[in-house]
Amino acid sequence: GDSVTQMQGQVTLSEDDFLFINCTYSTTWYPTLFWYVQYPGEGPQLLLKVTTANNKGISRGFEATYDKRTTSFHLQKASVQESDSAVYYCVLSSSGSWQLIFGSGTQLTVMP
Amino acid sequence: EAAVTQSPRNKVTVTGGNVTLSCRQTNSHNYMYWYRQDTGHGLRLIHYSYGAGNLQIGDVPDGYKATRTTQEDFFLLLELASPSQTSLYFCASSVDRASGNTLYFGEGSRLIVV
Repeated sequence: GDSVTQMQGQVTLSEDDFLFINCTYSTTWYPTLFWYVQYPGEGPQLLLKVTTANNKGISRGFEATYDKRTTSFHLQKASVQESDSAVYYCVLSSSGSWQLIFGSGTQLTVMP
Repeated sequence: EAAVTQSPRNKVTVTGGNVTLSCRQTNSHNYMYWYRQDTGHGLRLIHYSYGAGNLQIGDVPDGYKATRTTQEDFFLLLELASPSQTSLYFCASSVDRASGNTLYFGEGSRLIVV
């Protein structure tokens, strides 16, 4: 069945550092990929969405690129701020299933 | 912006106790969902509904019941709570099926079963 893997459970950076969070997925169908962000004390919210049609999404300074060859979906940001501290979820939706598959999440901590 | 409100925000109950978590959405979305969030597991779908009176089983339904009384209101019921159900529960809604559509989440209900 469909699956999503986030190997980085925790990432700690300093302000203005470069952020890169890796995600890999598996599906036999056409994927739509999302990054959701969850700030402390809040529910998850959509950060960005990427489909096979556009391969890349950009939102709030974050960029996500989908690579069909390696079945990977990376999230990156050139310069993180303390306010970016949150949990980031890689999420897969495939054309063969209506459901969303959530990765285990990456806790990002940005030190001032 | 979709509004999803959950109550209670925090709840402590004893093993074998009866708990109801409530969720209301005010954006006329058709689909509503209950997820649980646990460290190392991300979010896992318990039950969902695509309209009043409808209920569908998710990935981890054991020990949970749910009821959608109106388009706005979706309840999660734990009739014999167990310590394994200690978790952070999220309600979400979407205008149509989750696939390809944005989910709007509430702020969560933290349940502790002692």
